[in-house]
Amino acid sequence: DGGITQSPKYLFRKEGQNVTLSCEQNLNHDAMYWYRQDPGQGLRLIYYSQIVNDFQKGDIAEGYSVSREKKESFPLTVTSAQKNPTAFYLCASSIAVGATDTQYFGPGTRLTVL
Amino acid sequence: GNSVTQMEGPVTLSEEAFLTINCTYTATGYPSLFWYVQYPGEGLQLLLKATKADDKGSNKGFEATYRKETTSFHLEKGSVQVSDSAVYFCALTEQAGTALIFGKGTTLSVSS
Repeated sequence: DGGITQSPKYLFRKEGQNVTLSCEQNLNHDAMYWYRQDPGQGLRLIYYSQIVNDFQKGDIAEGYSVSREKKESFPLTVTSAQKNPTAFYLCASSIAVGATDTQYFGPGTRLTVL
Repeated sequence: GNSVTQMEGPVTLSEEAFLTINCTYTATGYPSLFWYVQYPGEGLQLLLKATKADDKGSNKGFEATYRKETTSFHLEKGSVQVSDSAVYFCALTEQAGTALIFGKGTTLSVSS
């Protein structure tokens, strides 16, 4: 089945630790995205990548890092510099071409800092 | 900058009632508009979309019409079911491959 997978579903981190969230897609999409969701705040863009080996910061990139070494994969690292990392993280992908471009989302990873 | 405003929730309805969730937007160009739905503990699923003025998106009994003159994209359904209980997000993008701008979401609760 084609789709987007995220792992793990739940992640617990101690303060001061870096953690990496996985996102994989087999839809052959060029673009991938990371969003953060907080209660009552909608979704906000962290980073996005339109092509392999290239990515751009979104609105809330501070304390996060990404890489895009393969078309299928776009991992997100939450660093110790992120002051309030507890949130629900959603990965998405799209073909990134044309007015009908549509982002499709994975099931999400819930990160809790202990 | 671009923004999306949705009606505040929660919206509480009885089964078979008519649903409207208001969405208005601000954009500098000609955005594509989307409605996504999120069930508890899950990611977002695309519900419907419209890419130009006067387009109507529809899916699973839900409809929304892209109104450029009122900068709106209101979501409607004629008869809701308990299974429609979820959070609904209105969103826009002005350019392929860039950010979706989301509203804050509207929680719908349908009781039998």
